[in-house]
Amino acid sequence: GESVGLHLPTLSVQEGDNSIINCAYSNSASDYFIWYKQESGKGPQFIIDIRSNMDKRQGQRVTVLLNKTVKHLSLQIAATQPGDSAVYFCAEIPHSGGYQKVTFGIGTKLQVIP
Amino acid sequence: GAVVSQHPSWVICKSGTSVKIECRSLDFQATTMFWYRQFPKQSLMLMATSNEGSKATYEQGVEKDKFLINHASLTLSTLTVTSAHPEDSSFYICSARVSAGTDTQYFGPGTRLTVL
Repeated sequence: GESVGLHLPTLSVQEGDNSIINCAYSNSASDYFIWYKQESGKGPQFIIDIRSNMDKRQGQRVTVLLNKTVKHLSLQIAATQPGDSAVYFCAEIPHSGGYQKVTFGIGTKLQVIP
Repeated sequence: GAVVSQHPSWVICKSGTSVKIECRSLDFQATTMFWYRQFPKQSLMLMATSNEGSKATYEQGVEKDKFLINHASLTLSTLTVTSAHPEDSSFYICSARVSAGTDTQYFGPGTRLTVL
């Protein structure tokens, strides 16, 4: 079936550097995407979202890029800090009317090196 | 805003007992709540969608008689793991959608279930 996947299971970044976490999706019907951050033993935390009518959206220190042509999503974290260490999941929601089922990718663990 | 709580945060029980997990939306009304299961170092897997006042919609492969879901009010959904066994040990996470007009789900902190 169609799924959401990540290229890199683990990413190590030096503190202060920028981080880029990638995600590939295969469901062309998806029109809403979310990045979540999950710290150990906690529930996922919403970071940023983007709809398919956009190709870029910026938040505080984070930017999400969407390339619908190649079905690729990325999360950029500027000036990565130790507190950014966590597992990051991309998630997609197909345009399915009232039933919004979120499909999560496998996750990328971000390790920030002090 | 949009805070979701879960209780208990962790629970240890003997095999064969039933465990109830509560999911509450603290500062908003949630017509729809979702229950996920997460094994160590794995992604979240949707178990069921809970709609207030109606029966839950279970994902394929999830036993509805094993995982009882009740969504009695706009701020509370419960998941009961019946006759729990060690293989049911997992991290259970709920989420709530703020309103029918939005797609964003806010997640609870999760409940760690260990069945001995």
